[in-house]
Amino acid sequence: QVQLQQSGPGLVKPSQTLSLTCAISGDSVSRNTAAWNWIRQSPSRGLEWLGRTYYTSKWYNDSAISVKSRITINPDTSKNHFSLQLSSVTPEDTAVYYCARESGGHFNAYDIWGQGTMVTVSS
Amino acid sequence: DIHMTQSPSSLSASVGDRVTITCRASQTINNYLNWYQQKPGKAPKLLIYAASSLQSGVPSRFSGSRSGTDFTLTITSLQPEDFATYYCQQSYSAPPRAFGQGTKVEIK
Repeated sequence: QVQLQQSGPGLVKPSQTLSLTCAISGDSVSRNTAAWNWIRQSPSRGLEWLGRTYYTSKWYNDSAISVKSRITINPDTSKNHFSLQLSSVTPEDTAVYYCARESGGHFNAYDIWGQGTMVTVSS
Repeated sequence: DIHMTQSPSSLSASVGDRVTITCRASQTINNYLNWYQQKPGKAPKLLIYAASSLQSGVPSRFSGSRSGTDFTLTITSLQPEDFATYYCQQSYSAPPRAFGQGTKVEIK
């Protein structure tokens, strides 16, 4: 069965870069009927989509306007994982971060989620 | 961007009750509407996709329906494990694909 396993630090200092990784088992990051997303959740913003990466003949990335200048999402086919980097973080970036698979076979729903990582931005 | 308006924000119900949660899209999204359940400290879990298709392994007491841009999640005979927060989400447009604000189902 498909599983997503997140890893990365839970505490990041202001102005630094938040880095998380999502390891995929049971599927492939380069499968062309799926996209690999990062979503965060906080009491103030609710569930907020941050960005995604997907492969259809070549690699594509999309990102939310709110983080567009600060976000990098990279796939790694050799390790079958994808990563999130969010630069210049502030306390407003404190949230639970999730990776999630978007499935074309499920009307683009997020059918598989990682376990979540609580990230606190604080000095 | 397409906006999703979900109601109510919370409700109290008893085990065995029938519960209905609604979600309205700001414009047409055809059947591209999904429902998720989230329990405290856990990731959201997909319950229903394409407005009315039950995700594998989800009990049949959960169902979804559509009328135009209005969507409904129904739980017939609420069970103790169903007390959670429920979110709708549209997957019709290019991202961002908005979630509703959530409905917390609490024990009466």
